[in-house]
Amino acid sequence: LAKTTQPISMDSYEGQEVNITCSHNNIATNDYITWYQQFPSQGPRFIIQGYKTKVTNEVASLFIPADRKSSTLSLPRVSLSDTAVYYCLVGDPYNQGGKLIFGQGTELSVKP
Amino acid sequence: EPEVTQTPSHQVTQMGQEVILRCVPISNHLYFYWYRQILGQKVEFLVSFYNNEISEKSEIFDDQFSVERPDGSNFTLKIRSTKLEDSAMYFCASRTGVFYGYTFGSGTRLTVV
Repeated sequence: LAKTTQPISMDSYEGQEVNITCSHNNIATNDYITWYQQFPSQGPRFIIQGYKTKVTNEVASLFIPADRKSSTLSLPRVSLSDTAVYYCLVGDPYNQGGKLIFGQGTELSVKP
Repeated sequence: EPEVTQTPSHQVTQMGQEVILRCVPISNHLYFYWYRQILGQKVEFLVSFYNNEISEKSEIFDDQFSVERPDGSNFTLKIRSTKLEDSAMYFCASRTGVFYGYTFGSGTRLTVV
């Protein structure tokens, strides 16, 4: 499974766009990139998943360059409620077990 | 929005006792998982379950742990003889297919005293 590296923490202010970059140099051909969000004492929540280029949903955008060795989660106009830990995960969805390997994540703190 | 439901939300048990953590996954989901998170640490994979059998399990998931899907709706995690180090938040998760994200439950906080 590809190892991921992301900043331990980030600070932002309400209304700003936040970009969290994840490095995954050893990503394999069949691997997808997935981001989860976790609030304290809650289970992780799926945000977005992609393989290459750009994916956008109602919550976030995911940018993946051509070499796929990194990815950037973009949260537009964050609010206080976006304060959470964000995890970047890389893996092959066809893997029979389909397990997720979580790292330490990025603790995002949004201030007023 | 469909939810994964876990009960109880908090359980306190004495060391050496058996506990059963219960989960009701989303009804049309096919893949089921248990994860745990010790306070202040990473979320750790325990076991995956598909087609009524374990697909993969981690080193944590030793002989003290077992999973069952007894009736097509519930998905349980049993710890036969709890240890202090089993104290953690246990999350159940499910998903409908390999290209879909997981839906996690809110967790059961297990405290072993």
